[in-house]
Amino acid sequence: AQSVTQPDIHITVSEGASLELRCNYSYGATPYLFWYVQSPGQGLQLLLKYFSGDTLVQGIKGFEAEFKRSQSSFNLRKPSVHWSDAAEYFCAVGTGFQKLVFGTGTRLLVSP
Amino acid sequence: DVKVTQSSRYLVKRTGEKVFLECVQDMDHENMFWYRQDPGLGLRLIYFSYDVKMKEKGDIPEGYSVSREKKERFSLILESASTNQTSMYLCASIPKLSSGNEQFFGPGTRLTVL
Repeated sequence: AQSVTQPDIHITVSEGASLELRCNYSYGATPYLFWYVQSPGQGLQLLLKYFSGDTLVQGIKGFEAEFKRSQSSFNLRKPSVHWSDAAEYFCAVGTGFQKLVFGTGTRLLVSP
Repeated sequence: DVKVTQSSRYLVKRTGEKVFLECVQDMDHENMFWYRQDPGLGLRLIYFSYDVKMKEKGDIPEGYSVSREKKERFSLILESASTNQTSMYLCASIPKLSSGNEQFFGPGTRLTVL
């Protein structure tokens, strides 16, 4: 069965420091992969997605993610974190019939 | 821009009440989804619908039902609300011919069952 693992429940990063959020997936075929962000009290907003082609994908708000098939990973990165990036981040894999399977999320805290 | 709206941001109900959560999308999407979100569990799929009057069970359908009478509207129904249904409920939609699985989400309804 398809699954997504986000091993970090919480991460705290200093403002201006770099960020990497981990995501590992389990899926039999070539996956569609997504990162969504949820600000407090809000719905989910798509940050970026990978379907095929270049394994380094760029998203909104300065985020990027790299697909590594050999490691079944799709880690999210940002070179310099801003206080407004504090939110919960969800990795997801697309399955058949346009469904998504989500990870349990990583809550990012940004310290001054 | 795709817009997905949900009828309430916050809702408080009592155990045993029948609860309706409404979701409306304005982009003529065929496919719609209902998730619940709980801390440490992420988003879990309750039901989804591929077309009017069609519905499919997701991973956790027990205690829920859905209705899709019009293409733009997908309702989640709690026939007899229980305290373990206290949660954040998120609706999403996607066009049938989308090249991928990018779903568009509403703002969520935080339901508390007392």
